Amino acid sequence: DIQMTQSPSSLSASVGDRVTITCRASQGIRNDLGWYQQKPGKAPKRLIYAASTLQSGVPSRFSGSGSGTEFTLTISSLQPEDFATYYCLQHNSYPPTFGQGTKVEI
Amino acid sequence: EVQLLESGGGLVQPGGSLRLSCAASGFTFSKYAMSWVRQAPGKGLEWVSAISGSGGGTYYADSVQGRFTISRDNSKNTLYLQMNSLRAEDTAVYFCAKSGSGWFLFDYWGQGTQVTVSS
Repeated sequence: DIQMTQSPSSLSASVGDRVTITCRASQGIRNDLGWYQQKPGKAPKRLIYAASTLQSGVPSRFSGSGSGTEFTLTISSLQPEDFATYYCLQHNSYPPTFGQGTKVEI
Repeated sequence: EVQLLESGGGLVQPGGSLRLSCAASGFTFSKYAMSWVRQAPGKGLEWVSAISGSGGGTYYADSVQGRFTISRDNSKNTLYLQMNSLRAEDTAVYFCAKSGSGWFLFDYWGQGTQVTVSS
């Protein structure tokens, strides 16, 4: 199975900060990666697919980049509603695997 | 608007069985693969099982192979997960997820249903 290693596992930030989360794959996955946001007690919501394509309706302060084994999710200016846990998901190779999550806290 | 509504969760003893359902609306259900993804208390996301749009192809995580069965009824726009021989480690919130293109490109998720395995 492909292992997805996310870092950091948690971070503290303030409104207006630029935040970057990294996901590393144990082998190359081209750009077959998505980013999801999950708030407590809620379903995950897709933010990014194909590593860098913004899901319709998602604010443009979210962006994704990377290919192969290293990927990043960037929030350009953190807003109060962005405090949540973020997961990456690779779907290049079966079985699909998630990163362990990054909790973004105040 | 895509909507996915899970039901069927609850408290069950180890070794018991449970069937989860996911009612779908807002899209042509039979055209898309569907999956179940679970989240143990305080833990991350784990893919459990997937089924093709026609129902003719299925996949399972090693952790549930032989114990869980995924199925769908396209006439009722409903996805199912039959869970047998349940273990404490199956305790989790179970989400159904719709795939966009491909098998595992999850674009919409339900709100989840809680399954607790305990004596």
